Formats: sequence, C-alpha cells, structure tokens
Amino acid sequence: DIVMTQSPDSLAVSLGERATINCKSSQSVLYSSNNKNYLAWYQQKPGQPPKLLMYWASTRESGVPDRFSGGGSGTDFTLTISGLQAEDVAVYYCQQYYTTPPITFGQGTRLEIK
Amino acid sequence: QITLKESGPTLVKPTQTLTLTCTFSGFSLSTTGVGVGWIRQPPGKALEWLALIYWDDDKRYSPSLKSRLTISKDTSKNQVVLTMTNMDPVDTATYYCAHIPPSTVTTSSEYFHHWGQGTLVTVSS
Repeated sequence: DIVMTQSPDSLAVSLGERATINCKSSQSVLYSSNNKNYLAWYQQKPGQPPKLLMYWASTRESGVPDRFSGGGSGTDFTLTISGLQAEDVAVYYCQQYYTTPPITFGQGTRLEIK
Repeated sequence: QITLKESGPTLVKPTQTLTLTCTFSGFSLSTTGVGVGWIRQPPGKALEWLALIYWDDDKRYSPSLKSRLTISKDTSKNQVVLTMTNMDPVDTATYYCAHIPPSTVTTSSEYFHHWGQGTLVTVSS
C-alpha cells in the first residue's frame, strides 16, 4: 500500500498570509506514460463532507478559488493557500490514486487562524 | 448537477450486517468510465476508503476489509449498495458515498469528485 504522510498535523496562519501543507507518498505516484501525478487534495470543514480541491496534483477543481494551488511531483507535494481567509479554516487531506486498491488518504492537516 | 445521498440504519449491534444505500442523480452508472465509491470517517479521525464500483460492474475493495464488504449497483434505480458484515464498535463512523469521474482507457481517475453528506453509523449493543 502507498502510505500518505502529511505535515504538519496542524497549522495556524494569520489572515492574509500563506499556508503550506505538505504531503509525502511512500512511493512515486507519477505515471511516466502520461506524466500525471495521481494525487488529489480535499478540504473538509466541520460537519461537512470533504470537497475536492485539486486533482492530478495541480489541476484546480471548477469553482475553487485561485488562491489554492497544488504543486510537487513524484513523492512530494504541497497545497498552498495564498492570502488565507477565514473560510479556509478546515482539515485538508491528500489522496493517492496511483496504485489501487487501496486508495489511500493522508492523516489530515488542521488549518486554523492565528 | 450531481448529488448523492446515503441512507441506512444509524445504529447497529455488534456482529450484525450493515447495509447502506447510495442514491444519486445527475449522472448514470451506465456511462463509460464512471464509478461510485464508499469512504468512511470515524469521529475525529481521517478518511478511509472502503470500496468502489464502476459502470462495467468492476469492483474494488480495501484489502483490509475485503472479506467483510460487498458492493453492488442497480443502474435502473441510480443506487449503489454497500454491505459490511460482522460490525464492531470500531466501525462506528460517518459513511460517505462519492462520485468518481469518468476514467479513460489510459487514465484512471479514482478521485472523488462529488460527495454525499454522509450518514453516521454507530455500532453499539
């Protein structure tokens, strides 16, 4: 199984500042034949289901603000929120879909306002 | 507009079998490449993928739970059913179903595009 490890577990950032969440996979999720990273990011606000933010590591889902960006390749990925807003308080998860089953998620990163 | 809704018992006893139904709209499970998955989340914990089923009845299961899970679909009713046998208190969680966007022959898109609101299942005697 591919193990997904996020860091940090929790993060407090001031409004308007940048938040960066890391996700590391235990093996590469880059498929060489199509040069795609099989990685997605989700946002989960309290009491709500997860919401897809990014897929293919850096493709923003329709309707997601452009202050959210995804980067990285192979085994190391980042989700960056530029200009943090109050509504961005949530838990963020990465997920790999390179080798399935099983589909695996990271343990989550809790983002709060400092 | 794609929507999904989970339904089933909120309380089950240990050793019982849980049956959950995902009723969806806005897409068809007869469309090439489309899938529906189940994911659960124990209170305060992370997401755990359970199973998925594709338009062509291809089924995938979490290896750690495979012996306890069965997934099926009723395309005419726009429903996917998940059964989990021998329930235990550690299976207490919110269970979600989610839409998997169409995959192609060369690209497998097993991420979860749209999610239901989830249903909390408590396992207790």
